[in-house]
Amino acid sequence: QQQVKQSPQSLIVQKGGISIINCAYENTAFDYFPWYQQFPGKGPALLIAIRPDVSEKKEGRFTISFNKSAKQFSLHIMDSQPGDSATYFCAASWGDKIIFGKGTRLHILP
Amino acid sequence: DVKVTQSSRYLVKRTGEKVFLECVQDMDHENMFWYRQDPGLGLRLIYFSYDVKMKEKGDIPEGYSVSREKKERFSLILESASTNQTSMYLCASSLRLLSNQPQHFGDGTRLSIL
Repeated sequence: QQQVKQSPQSLIVQKGGISIINCAYENTAFDYFPWYQQFPGKGPALLIAIRPDVSEKKEGRFTISFNKSAKQFSLHIMDSQPGDSATYFCAASWGDKIIFGKGTRLHILP
Repeated sequence: DVKVTQSSRYLVKRTGEKVFLECVQDMDHENMFWYRQDPGLGLRLIYFSYDVKMKEKGDIPEGYSVSREKKERFSLILESASTNQTSMYLCASSLRLLSNQPQHFGDGTRLSIL
């Protein structure tokens, strides 16, 4: 019940295309859903986050879509660029708990 | 910007050695965390600390201990290193222990146990 399931494990997208990464959760107590971006040789860094009372949040080319009834949320990267190539982790948290998905390795072809 | 610094980027140790991984944060954050990152397994929490001298077990604490004698420093200790502890270790900190507080990560220590 405390798992966050992330898919796909890896993703290859052409430059300019849309990258979509999906996550699903079970525990309805989660009240904050961040996405972290990790470049090779670096630690993860917060990219964008959403609360469950909002269905969508957009920051530049990055958008989180949130479906509370389905207990799913997704990250969309519009106009994907080679510089977006990284590993992306979704997460879900409540109180002092945070659960990370297993990560998606994204590669954008130039 | 918050800076979380891990003392070593790469470390090679032998089976049975006692290993210390050090982490320092410069933003007076209350909370500090140690994670282990393995391919296909994501980030798994080993221990966290919400105050000096306080610690809480995470999901995989076996074989590890931690020490937090000062607010800015959090150490991970492998009491007797084993080959299955070869991994990337990430330290993180956050301002408060609330769900909407982002975690700030260091760049990791890649530890190899021979």
